[in-house]
Parts: sequence; structure tokens; C-alpha cells
Amino acid sequence: AQSVSQHNHHVILSEAASLELGCNYSYGGTVNLFWYVQYPGQHLQLLLKYFSGDPLVKGIKGFEAEFIKSKFSFNLRKPSVQWSDTAEYFCAVIRMDSSYKLIFGSGTRLLVRP
Amino acid sequence: GAVVSQHPSRVICKSGTSVKIECRSLDFQATTMFWYRQFPKQSLMLMATSNEGSKATYEQGVEKDKFLINHASLTLSTLTVTSAHPEDSSFYICSARDSGLAGGRGHNEQFFGPGTRLTVL
Repeated sequence: AQSVSQHNHHVILSEAASLELGCNYSYGGTVNLFWYVQYPGQHLQLLLKYFSGDPLVKGIKGFEAEFIKSKFSFNLRKPSVQWSDTAEYFCAVIRMDSSYKLIFGSGTRLLVRP
Repeated sequence: GAVVSQHPSRVICKSGTSVKIECRSLDFQATTMFWYRQFPKQSLMLMATSNEGSKATYEQGVEKDKFLINHASLTLSTLTVTSAHPEDSSFYICSARDSGLAGGRGHNEQFFGPGTRLTVL
């Protein structure tokens, strides 16, 4: 079955700690990859996206993600988190050979303690 | 950046009534819009793809007669939950793809609305 997997459902970190959230997908063809963030009570916002080219993608607020095609992964990283990064993070994938439907992972709830 | 609005942001209705939710692209045209449903503490599940001027495409398991979608213009799609029941209570989110970016790198990006929280009593 087509799927997007986020391994960590809940992550708790202290401020200044480094963050890495895992994301794997199960499609073999060409994909577009996204990370979205949903702050408490707010709507989804795009953090970063990968379409093609450099597999290391930099996004807003100091986030970056690396596309590793051989591992079907698109992990999200931030070297030093802040309290304001407390939110839910969603990885999402579009298969380029389908109807461009965006398939979401189950989400990772991040809590950053001050 | 591209902005998508939804109205209303919150609605409470009685069981058996119908509720209409609007999704508008404010500064771009969208031939394709998407409707998602998000249960508490869960991810977004695609319900249907809304195509301007044609019928919506529903995902497996989504009742098209219950969730009516109309995409009559390039900036507006509506979702009507007919004969709503408590189990329809959820957070409904729409997104839109910028038609002006067709063929370009940004074509597949979806811009999300703020969501509508539906509570059916």
C-alpha cells in the first residue's frame, strides 16, 4: 500500500537541542516531498519542499531536510530548537505518476521545553 | 504568498442539518482544490479533489452524496456536509493549487486554508 511513515509520534526536547524527525515513503517513482508545520490552533504552513536538484533543502525558521533516494527518506532537521518550535510536523509526498494527490504522514508532535 | 481562506472557521449544527463550507483562493486562480479531514491528534486524510467546471473525484470510502463538492469558479470550492451526524464532527481543511504555475516547478505545491471545525450535536 502507498504510505508515508513518520516514525516518531511524540518528541520532547529541551531548548537548544538538535532535532531530527524521520520520514519514509513507499513509492518507487519520482516524488515531490514536503514538510508542513501546524502550530497550536493554527493552519498548516509549508516548512520546505523538494522537487528536484540539490537533495539538501533549506526551509524557513532554520529547518532543513535531506532527500535520500536510496533510503526513500526525507528527514527533517534543525540544529537548535526553540520553545516556539512546539508544534505538529507533517511529512507529505506527491507521486508524480498519479493525480498529484498529497499523501500525509501521521504527524509528529514536538514539545520543546524552555 | 498565496492565500487560501475558509468560511466559516467554526460551525455548530444540529444532527440532520446540512452545512456548507467555502474555500477561496484569494490572490490566485485554482482549477484544482482539495478537501481534507483531520480528526483530533491525527493526520490529514484526503477526501476529494475538486476540479473547476467538472465533477469532484472522491477518495475510496468517502460518500459523494453526503459530502457534496462544487467548484463553480476558479477561486471558490464549496463542501456541503448533508444530513450531518455527530460522527461527521471533525476539522475540514481545504487546499488549492495555483493554476498559474502549471508546468513550472511550483505547480504541485498546495496552499492550505485555516480549516473549519464542525461540531454536530
